[in-house]
Amino acid sequence: EVQLLESGGDLVQPGGSLRLSCEGSGFTFRSYAMSWVRQTPGKGLEWVSSISNTGGKTYYADSVRGRFTIARDNSKNTLYLQMNTLSTEDTAVFYCARHTAGAGPNFDYWGQGTLVTVSS
Amino acid sequence: EIVLTQSPGTLSLSPGERATLSCRASQIFGSDYLAWYQQKPGQSPRLLIYRASNRATGIPDRFSGSGSGTDFTLTISRLEPEDFAVYYCQQYGSSPWTFGQGTKVEIK
Repeated sequence: EVQLLESGGDLVQPGGSLRLSCEGSGFTFRSYAMSWVRQTPGKGLEWVSSISNTGGKTYYADSVRGRFTIARDNSKNTLYLQMNTLSTEDTAVFYCARHTAGAGPNFDYWGQGTLVTVSS
Repeated sequence: EIVLTQSPGTLSLSPGERATLSCRASQIFGSDYLAWYQQKPGQSPRLLIYRASNRATGIPDRFSGSGSGTDFTLTISRLEPEDFAVYYCQQYGSSPWTFGQGTKVEIK
């Protein structure tokens, strides 16, 4: 059974940093591109960042480019999102999601989500 | 950035009825790279359809997707009680990948 388990969400002050993790199991993690998608009641679902299966290519939404860094450790089956210079606009539930094999960046499995709250 | 507009915002139907959800893009994107997701309260999104009309693994055949260019449709042929949820479309033909704002299918 494919599982994605996020962790690392927390309450952080504006300007602070946070690192999210997502551990995959039940599939060959190194074979799949992965993404982070966030969700807020006001803005809905927003794609944040993607990384190729090897980690050699990364992609970012304009809203996070230069502040967030996506990475992966295939030896640990783990995806990361380093988030710096956080603002209240970054408050959201963050999901990690697996790309559907051979079908581009749509997402066939999602984690349960981890809540990031940016507030003073 | 491609904006996806879903309509209606809310669809009130009874079990057994047919649901037709629309997703319109602000411009054409590549190769009908459009997906549909279902999300229930407190749950993560679930992939239903990719490449506009391909059902994801394990998705019942009462769900079907159609369309091309800028106009896409998700049809649920006969609503089951478990189908009442929010549905989102997503385009992945042009970066940044974007989602629609969702259509809520509620019990009438």
